Amino acid sequence: GAVVSQHPSRVICKSGTSVKIECRSLDFQATTMFWYRQFPKQSLMLMATSNEGSKATYEQGVEKDKFLINHASLTLSTLTVTSAHPEDSSFYICSAHDRGLLGTQYFGPGTRLLVL
Amino acid sequence: GNSVTQMEGPVTLSEEAFLTINCTYTATGYPSLFWYVQYPGEGLQLLLKATKADDKGSNKGFEATYRKETTSFHLEKGSVQVSDSAVYFCALSGNTGNQFYFGTGTSLTVIP
Repeated sequence: GAVVSQHPSRVICKSGTSVKIECRSLDFQATTMFWYRQFPKQSLMLMATSNEGSKATYEQGVEKDKFLINHASLTLSTLTVTSAHPEDSSFYICSAHDRGLLGTQYFGPGTRLLVL
Repeated sequence: GNSVTQMEGPVTLSEEAFLTINCTYTATGYPSLFWYVQYPGEGLQLLLKATKADDKGSNKGFEATYRKETTSFHLEKGSVQVSDSAVYFCALSGNTGNQFYFGTGTSLTVIP
């Protein structure tokens, strides 16, 4: 099946620093990628929809200046958590929509962010 | 609007027991339905899907049938194994295939 990778898988950073998370679709082109956040023992919360070549669409309550999304190519989207604080600590998961398999999203393995 | 309601857990079963995790949905149009599984510390993996009414998705002994009349997509497995211990998410996607709606997840623990 389709593969989506995320890098890094884990990151620990100091409060106030910025962290970039990459999401790549390895064997298909994804015009649309999604970024989710998952709190412990909870479901996924959609943060934003990343569209190749255009601005991301953010869900209500998600700060676009805090969570910068760039979708520079058909296989890469990045999420940058700017000026991270401990409350940003979470599991961040991306997914990519495979146009060739309508309705199927493939998820990355997730990135665990811990802000000290 | 679109939403997914999933049976709350946690669920604990003995090995070889029968599993049912209930999932019902509300949707406009003709959604596709999915079950995803998340093992500890990992991302989500697609378990099975169904794209139209009466379709049955199946994989690794798990099955779910898209029931339009009851707006349900219950997950079943005849004989669970310890390795099935994970969190299971029911989800639907709208007509465009882009927007996904997830249930809250059901944690399953299978004991030997």
